[in-house]
Amino acid sequence: AQRVTQPEKLLSVFKGAPVELKCNYSYSGSPELFWYVQYSRQRLQLLLRHISRESIKGFTADLNKGETSFHLKKPFAQEEDSAMYYCALIIGSGGSNYKLTFGKGTLLTVNP
Amino acid sequence: DAMVIQNPRYQVTQFGKPVTLSCSQTLNHNVMYWYQQKSSQAPKLLFHYYDKDFNNEADTPDNFQSRRPNTSFCFLDIRSPGLGDAAMYLCATSSGQGTYNEQFFGPGTRLTVL
Repeated sequence: AQRVTQPEKLLSVFKGAPVELKCNYSYSGSPELFWYVQYSRQRLQLLLRHISRESIKGFTADLNKGETSFHLKKPFAQEEDSAMYYCALIIGSGGSNYKLTFGKGTLLTVNP
Repeated sequence: DAMVIQNPRYQVTQFGKPVTLSCSQTLNHNVMYWYQQKSSQAPKLLFHYYDKDFNNEADTPDNFQSRRPNTSFCFLDIRSPGLGDAAMYLCATSSGQGTYNEQFFGPGTRLTVL
């Protein structure tokens, strides 16, 4: 069965320091991976998807199939990056059968 | 602003007393999802509708039902809530399914069972 693991429940860094939020997955097929973010008192929202190879708010994530990882990185953390981050994996066989599986999340705190 | 709305934001019910949570959307999306999120846990998909086509997850308890009377509204009915059903319930929508169909989430309804 597919699984998403975020080994760190909490991560605390200082402003300006690099940050890496870890995500590992297990899935026998070809994975499609996402990072979702939830800022304080806001709803869960998409941050980025691996297939787009995009940088959003300075964050990037590279899919490493050999290590089955999709870590989220930012070279210089900002206080406004403080939030709960969820890694998610989508599986499906087409049609209406897609399913998003979330990790348990990592709460990132960026200290001044 | 097009969005996903959940009412109420906080719901308190008694053990065994049926409760209904509602979700509406102004995005005109085909797909609507219900997730359950317990404290410090990942959001867990309960079921989803693709248009009128209902898709139940295999491990969703029979106690949980859903209705989608039209494109805009979707309801989550808990027939006999137990203490273990206390959680945040998230509604989400997407225009389709797959990698490029972002899911848009509502703010959630926090359910307390007394």
